[in-house]
Amino acid sequence: AQRVTQPEKLLSVFKGAPVELKCNYSYSGSPELFWYVQYSRQRLQLLLRHISRESIKGFTADLNKGETSFHLKKPFAQEEDSAMYYCALSNTGGFKTIFGAGTRLFVKA
Amino acid sequence: DTGVSQNPRHKITKRGQNVTFRCDPISEHNRLYWYRQTLGQGPEFLTYFQNEAQLEKSRLLSDRFSAERPKGSFSTLEIQRTEQGDSAMYLCASSVGTGPSNQPQHFGDGTRLSIL
Repeated sequence: AQRVTQPEKLLSVFKGAPVELKCNYSYSGSPELFWYVQYSRQRLQLLLRHISRESIKGFTADLNKGETSFHLKKPFAQEEDSAMYYCALSNTGGFKTIFGAGTRLFVKA
Repeated sequence: DTGVSQNPRHKITKRGQNVTFRCDPISEHNRLYWYRQTLGQGPEFLTYFQNEAQLEKSRLLSDRFSAERPKGSFSTLEIQRTEQGDSAMYLCASSVGTGPSNQPQHFGDGTRLSIL
């Protein structure tokens, strides 16, 4: 079955500290992985996708097929990174998207 | 372009009533998705349209739920004989693309449904 697991509901770090939001998935084909973010009082929006292999707002994520993981990382957290982060998976050729339960990141001053 | 627009923003109704939500996608987007989100959970996929054709439908979408996208533009999601468990945020998203490519989805603000 397709599943996305985000083991941490809440992650609290100090400003300037590294941050890693974990995402593990279960899928029997070649998935496409995404990270979506929702800032306070804003819409859910795309942060990055694995096929783009780019860094957005200092965040990166590498797809590890062996460990079936797609962890989101940033070397130095900023207060404006505080938000809800969702890992999502889409099946290639289909359009059903499975979201994880989300991790709330809180960056303390 | 104001992005994906959903109406109403909030809907409060009594159990057993029918409700209908509307979603206006970004104008050039041919793909449209509906999700449901409950407290503490991520969005759960309900259904997907490519233009006017409804191509995928989740098992979550019971026969009380129906979605349409006439003419491939706006979409409506109707829930008949609402139940307490239908209380949730209903999100709409749209994207552009052809073939198997999964382009990023743009989300609306959602419609929050509360069943009394």
